[in-house]
Amino acid sequence: NAGVTQTPKFQVLKTGQSMTLQCAQDMNHNSMYWYRQDPGMGLRLIYYSASEGTTDKGEVPNGYNVSRLNKREFSLRLESAAPSQTSVYFCASSARINSPLHFGNGTRLTVT
Amino acid sequence: KQEVTQIPAALSVPEGENLVLNCSFTDSAIYNLQWFRQDPGKGLTSLLLIQSSQREQTSGRLNASLDKSSGRSTLYIAASQPGDSATYLCAVGDDYKLSFGAGTTVTVRA
Repeated sequence: NAGVTQTPKFQVLKTGQSMTLQCAQDMNHNSMYWYRQDPGMGLRLIYYSASEGTTDKGEVPNGYNVSRLNKREFSLRLESAAPSQTSVYFCASSARINSPLHFGNGTRLTVT
Repeated sequence: KQEVTQIPAALSVPEGENLVLNCSFTDSAIYNLQWFRQDPGKGLTSLLLIQSSQREQTSGRLNASLDKSSGRSTLYIAASQPGDSATYLCAVGDDYKLSFGAGTTVTVRA
């Protein structure tokens, strides 16, 4: 079972460039999430999608946009990358509220 | 805003010793508390989820307790093994949003 798959695994961008991080899950989960992880700061929620067709802001949404393309896929877009967005980005999914989260292996993004 | 704290930040124990990892949170109005394991360069793996109405959950050598009134959770790992070396994170759930602690990095010495 693949679980949660994120692409790409690594990416280097120049300031001002744009890119989309892809995430897909094969567990038929309703809810999907994007987190960023920075040293000493834990994980912080960027956006989430409680169910197909809905998206909501998390703790740190500025500079990002998301699309819940269908039940399986949830993408994160950086329109104009900034060095402050250098981080490890994790996608996660859960069957429903109050269910365990399943994480992908992350995308390591560097913005120079 | 929910604040989640994990102390200590790092812990080193000899093989066979029991591990006790602490997590504290500031707002007791929670849906659940989850414990995760993270290996270097990898994503998080869910270990245990405690619903707000529960006091503890057990899975194999792992046991997690929850005391909402005092804002604390403890993860116990019995008879630690070198393979338990990892970073352990707790997260407190409020609706769909999880607030994470910074984690405790555990090293189990053979």
